[in-house]
Amino acid sequence: ETGVTQSPTHLIKTRGQQVTLRCSSQSGHNTVSWYQQALGQGPQFIFQYYREEENGRGNFPPRFSGLQFPNYSSELNVNALELDDSALYLCASSLPLGLAGGPGEQFFGPGTRLTVL
Amino acid sequence: AQSVAQPEDQVNVAEGNPLTVKCTYSVSGNPYLFWYVQYPNRGLQFLLKYITGDNLVKGSYGFEAEFNKSQTSFHLKKPSALVSDSALYFCAVRDTQNTDKLIFGTGTRLQVFP
Repeated sequence: ETGVTQSPTHLIKTRGQQVTLRCSSQSGHNTVSWYQQALGQGPQFIFQYYREEENGRGNFPPRFSGLQFPNYSSELNVNALELDDSALYLCASSLPLGLAGGPGEQFFGPGTRLTVL
Repeated sequence: AQSVAQPEDQVNVAEGNPLTVKCTYSVSGNPYLFWYVQYPNRGLQFLLKYITGDNLVKGSYGFEAEFNKSQTSFHLKKPSALVSDSALYFCAVRDTQNTDKLIFGTGTRLQVFP
């Protein structure tokens, strides 16, 4: 059983650029959630994908968008980067609520550290 | 709105002593509570969860947590701390009302001294 993987591990961009972060979910998990963790803060929910459809969104602007593919891997895209987008971006996979027999844990990848200059 | 609070930014404890990291929650309906640990420059590792049942939940690496409904608390505990337990600990609640997301506390840094 493979865990959650993310790429790249680090990324440096400049303001106004666009970035794509990638995530492969744990084997058998069809739900992927993305979180942003700013320095010294707890992770903040960006959005979640289930069966290739967005299944909820946090308080993030539309320039944060995502995709989920048939193999359940996912991408997070951020357009028009701002300095405040500098953070650790975490991907987590899980089983959906009903299938897990109740809320199960989310399994996190190692994250992508994004620095915006 | 559902939320969790971790009142301590940092907890210091000597190796071999018991440790407690505090967490209180506010939810509508049944609480689904989690503890995660984060080592430097790493993602979050799952420690334990409370869904229902026994109020004392046992998890990974010798950690346990006590669910207290009357005090709306879910404190993380370990009988004997190790230096290697030094890390950032997050309490989280699962938001099952609007979407299936985790709401995290601000984290507590645990420092275990030899």
